[in-house]
Amino acid sequence: GENVEQHPSTLSVQEGDSAVIKCTYSDSASNYFPWYKQELGKRPQLIIDIRSNVGEKKDQRIAVTLNKTAKHFSLHITETQPEDSAVYFCAAGPGGGADGLTFGKGTHLIIQP
Amino acid sequence: DAGVIQSPRHEVTEMGQEVTLRCKPISGHDYLFWYRQTMMRGLELLIYFNNNVPIDDSGMPEDRFSAKMPNASFSTLKIQPSEPRDSAVYFCASSYSNYGYTFGSGTRLTVV
Repeated sequence: GENVEQHPSTLSVQEGDSAVIKCTYSDSASNYFPWYKQELGKRPQLIIDIRSNVGEKKDQRIAVTLNKTAKHFSLHITETQPEDSAVYFCAAGPGGGADGLTFGKGTHLIIQP
Repeated sequence: DAGVIQSPRHEVTEMGQEVTLRCKPISGHDYLFWYRQTMMRGLELLIYFNNNVPIDDSGMPEDRFSAKMPNASFSTLKIQPSEPRDSAVYFCASSYSNYGYTFGSGTRLTVV
């Protein structure tokens, strides 16, 4: 089955700086890579996703890049703000068919004022 | 749409008791997933359904766990008998075509 590794487990950045979270996956059949944000005591919420036919996707201050050859993908948050503080999860799966998403262990992002 | 609805939000039960968690997916979604979240193991997929049919239950930890989806708008996850190590947050999620999962608010289960 799929195995997703996520780094770092904790990331502390100054407000206004950029944050980068990286994930690797093992199953070459995976072609759907979403990112979720989870605030304390809340549900995971989808913030951005990318499919394997696209190398990069942007939505305002967040972007995701995908390297299918190397089997890794990354989340980039620019101009970080206090409300970006949360746990971020990457996930990988086949999309559109069999198997559910496999999640990474999460990154606790701390925005220092 | 009200999103994915789970009940109860919190459940405290004694070891050995039966626990039933409930989920109402988003109307029109054809996939439903049950995940368990703990600090040690993160988000683990327990079972998922496609068009109300269980597809993969390989993540269900033991025979004490069972799940059903009698119709497109309702699913249950049952633990019988419950044990302290089952304490976790259980999330239900639904999606259309296995993309863009929407999670419910979760059920925080404590077994004492």
